[in-house]
Amino acid sequence: GENVEQHPSTLSVQEGDSAVIKCTYSDSASNYFPWYKQELGKGPQLIIDIRSNVGEKKDQRIAVTLNKTAKHFSLHITETQPEDSAVYFCAAMNTGFQKLVFGTGTRLLVSP
Amino acid sequence: DTGVSQDPRHKITKRGQNVTFRCDPISEHNRLYWYRQTLGQGPEFLTYFQNEAQLEKSRLLSDRFSAERPKGSFSTLEIQRTEQGDSAMYLCASNPWREGSDTQYFGPGTRLTVL
Repeated sequence: GENVEQHPSTLSVQEGDSAVIKCTYSDSASNYFPWYKQELGKGPQLIIDIRSNVGEKKDQRIAVTLNKTAKHFSLHITETQPEDSAVYFCAAMNTGFQKLVFGTGTRLLVSP
Repeated sequence: DTGVSQDPRHKITKRGQNVTFRCDPISEHNRLYWYRQTLGQGPEFLTYFQNEAQLEKSRLLSDRFSAERPKGSFSTLEIQRTEQGDSAMYLCASNPWREGSDTQYFGPGTRLTVL
């Protein structure tokens, strides 16, 4: 089955810096890759997603890149703000099976 | 637009008791999913429904767990004879089942503590 690895497990940056989180997946049949932000005591909230037919997607300060050959995808956050502090999860899914497989999460801390 | 709601938000129970959680998906979302999240880990898939049909079950869903979605709207997840290892956050998500729409929208979760 699918296995998703995520690095780093913690990331501390200064406000205004960029943050990059990386994930690798094992199943070449996976074709949908969402990123979720989870704040303490809340459920995961989708922040951006990408499909396997696209190499890059951007939404304001957030971008995701996908390398299908190497089976990795990354989240890039620019101009970080303290409110970006949270746990971020990557996930992979074969849309034929509707089962999201999550990474282990990255705790992002943005210091003012 | 009302999001996915879950009830209760917190549940404390003693080992051996049965518990039931409820999930109300976003209106007109045909697909409904259950995940379990333990501390410091990502959510793990348990099961999913398309309307009232349960289409996929994880091996994590032992015979003590049962999920239903009788009318294709809300869903319940029951755990019988709870064990301390069942302590976790139980998350529900829903999806509208439209072409090109694979986003799963998560609720706030039910945190279960088994003493």
